[in-house]
Amino acid sequence: DVKVTQSSRYLVKRTGEKVFLECVQDMDHENMFWYRQDPGLGLRLIYFSYDVKMKEKGDIPEGYSVSREKKERFSLILESASTNQTSMYLCASSSPGQQAGANVLTFGAGSRLTVL
Amino acid sequence: SQQGEEDPQALSIQEGENATMNCSYKTSINNLQWYRQNSGRGLVHLILIRSNEREKHSGRLRVTLDTSKKSSSLLITASRAADTASYFCATEKMEYGNKLVFGAGTILRVKS
Repeated sequence: DVKVTQSSRYLVKRTGEKVFLECVQDMDHENMFWYRQDPGLGLRLIYFSYDVKMKEKGDIPEGYSVSREKKERFSLILESASTNQTSMYLCASSSPGQQAGANVLTFGAGSRLTVL
Repeated sequence: SQQGEEDPQALSIQEGENATMNCSYKTSINNLQWYRQNSGRGLVHLILIRSNEREKHSGRLRVTLDTSKKSSSLLITASRAADTASYFCATEKMEYGNKLVFGAGTILRVKS
């Protein structure tokens, strides 16, 4: 089974701290994504990457950055955490070859971040 | 930007009944997918339907797609308590660079 592992299930940080959320997938997927999930808003795409060292902004990239130095690892960075970044963060991966080019996502279990 | 919108926002039924959730979207798509999320966990892919398909089945799941109305429905037959979860539709279109855009979800509660 494809596995997407997010390093932390729960984090509590203080305003202004730098926060790293790590995501690792073990199925050699080319594509990786970071979403945040808030009640009533569904999932919103923060950043995504189609290859090592490349990144693309999603719908809400402000206040975030990402790093993809290795194919299996995609990190989300909050340079200076703020209270409005309190949320559930979901990492996902996919491969275009999975279902005839369709982008079917495999998600990690999520990281619930609270910024005080 | 939200492409899909699910309806209803919440649904409560008895075990054994059927559950129907609807999804509407705004622009043309390549495919539409449904995902399930158990409380506090990640999403799990359920089923994909392409724009040239009208209906698909997978076990107790039936998905329909009406591209003229820009809408889809997910039917879960003979529901079980274990089906209690949130259900999301997600749309993919080439212009988005194969990104998936998710709706806000339907919360389904199946009472035993």
